[in-house]
Amino acid sequence: NAGVTQTPKFRILKIGQSMTLQCAQDMNHNYMYWYRQDPGMGLKLIYYSVGAGITDKGEVPNGYNVSRSTTEDFPLRLELAAPSQTSVYFCASSLGRLSLGNTEAFFGQGTRLTVV
Amino acid sequence: AQSVSQHNHHVILSEAASLELGCNYSYGGTVNLFWYVQYPGQHLQLLLKYFSGDPLVKGIKGFEAEFIKSKFSFNLRKPSVQWSDTAEYFCATFSGGYQKVTFGTGTKLQVIP
Repeated sequence: NAGVTQTPKFRILKIGQSMTLQCAQDMNHNYMYWYRQDPGMGLKLIYYSVGAGITDKGEVPNGYNVSRSTTEDFPLRLELAAPSQTSVYFCASSLGRLSLGNTEAFFGQGTRLTVV
Repeated sequence: AQSVSQHNHHVILSEAASLELGCNYSYGGTVNLFWYVQYPGQHLQLLLKYFSGDPLVKGIKGFEAEFIKSKFSFNLRKPSVQWSDTAEYFCATFSGGYQKVTFGTGTKLQVIP
């Protein structure tokens, strides 16, 4: 049972380059999320999705795009990389709405991105 | 929307010492609180969660947390820490507006052998 899988684990980008962070889950979860983690700042939500074909912005969406063509995959796209996007990125998923209780978010192992 | 705050940013303990990490939450309706742990270089893992019922919640690896409504607190405790508990600990809650988990800023725990 793989859970949530993220690739790559590490990446160095030059300013202005683009890349896609991959995220896949095999738990048939409807909800998927992208967070970025910066030291002393906790985790901030970038984008989330409540099901295939449906995505919405989180707290810090600028500079990013997402798509959700299947239940399993939720890639995050950086179009024009900037130094401010240097961070650790986590993908997560949950079976249903967290407000219903008795559910939790499962996290991938993270992607450490450096923009130089 | 609910939010959580953690005031201890960095805690250093010797092995076998007792641990208590603070977490305060703002009440926004339905209570749902989590503690996650992130070991160095690894992903976040759920330690324990509270939605209702017994306010003393037992989690994995000997951790527990107590929900105290009158104090708006959900502190994480462990009677005797080990070197392997060195990690960053995040208190979290549900934020209805985004259907997501909202995290505190985290507490780095360093356990000295």
